[in-house]
Amino acid sequence: DSGVTQTPKHLITATGQRVTLRCSPRSGDLSVYWYQQSLDQGLQFLIQYYNGEERAKGNILERFSAQQFPDLHSELNLSSLELGDSALYFCASSAAPSSYNEQFFGPGTRLTVL
Amino acid sequence: DQQVKQNSPSLSVQEGRISILNCDYTNSMFDYFLWYKKYPAEGPTFLISISSIKDKNEDGRFTVFLNKSAKHLSLHIVPSQPGDSAVYFCAAKGYNAGNMLTFGGGTRLMVKP
Repeated sequence: DSGVTQTPKHLITATGQRVTLRCSPRSGDLSVYWYQQSLDQGLQFLIQYYNGEERAKGNILERFSAQQFPDLHSELNLSSLELGDSALYFCASSAAPSSYNEQFFGPGTRLTVL
Repeated sequence: DQQVKQNSPSLSVQEGRISILNCDYTNSMFDYFLWYKKYPAEGPTFLISISSIKDKNEDGRFTVFLNKSAKHLSLHIVPSQPGDSAVYFCAAKGYNAGNMLTFGGGTRLMVKP
């Protein structure tokens, strides 16, 4: 158990809908990262937050947005969903955003868009 | 453009033998490399890492080798155990990219008893 929790575990929804994925980092970790893993592919970095502020942005679509709240939990909002958004979404956390802090991953949320 | 590539989607090895997983990268700005292990229905778990100033790092049965001139790294597992069966991801960071990880596509390792 990494200490990072993600809810829900599974989500099934229809095209055009909007969903929110939630992540609670490990106790004491200030930095949160979101990754997307599509079928049989590696994890793609989406976005990073540190202590409530956006720190780095990767290949995140404009239909997607995220935020980190004062209690440090984070939410990833996916809107106008398309079939291609079906994927595993992982959240990770680290103590600080510097280069050599290990990231601890949650178990992921599997999103299925029908 | 895939900056980190794992060209073997799967690898099958007999228990007790050596497992060698390979990873190639194209971005010369990467200066830190990591291997993650992933079991089904779980998130990736950090296994071992290496800085670009080293060419080898060892941790128990796991050794990572880095060949900077070839932009290639490999993970050796000796001896392999059935519990090592998982998907292994290679990941890299650039010194000017914060803590963002760039992952390879993964290699599924199967260790047969």
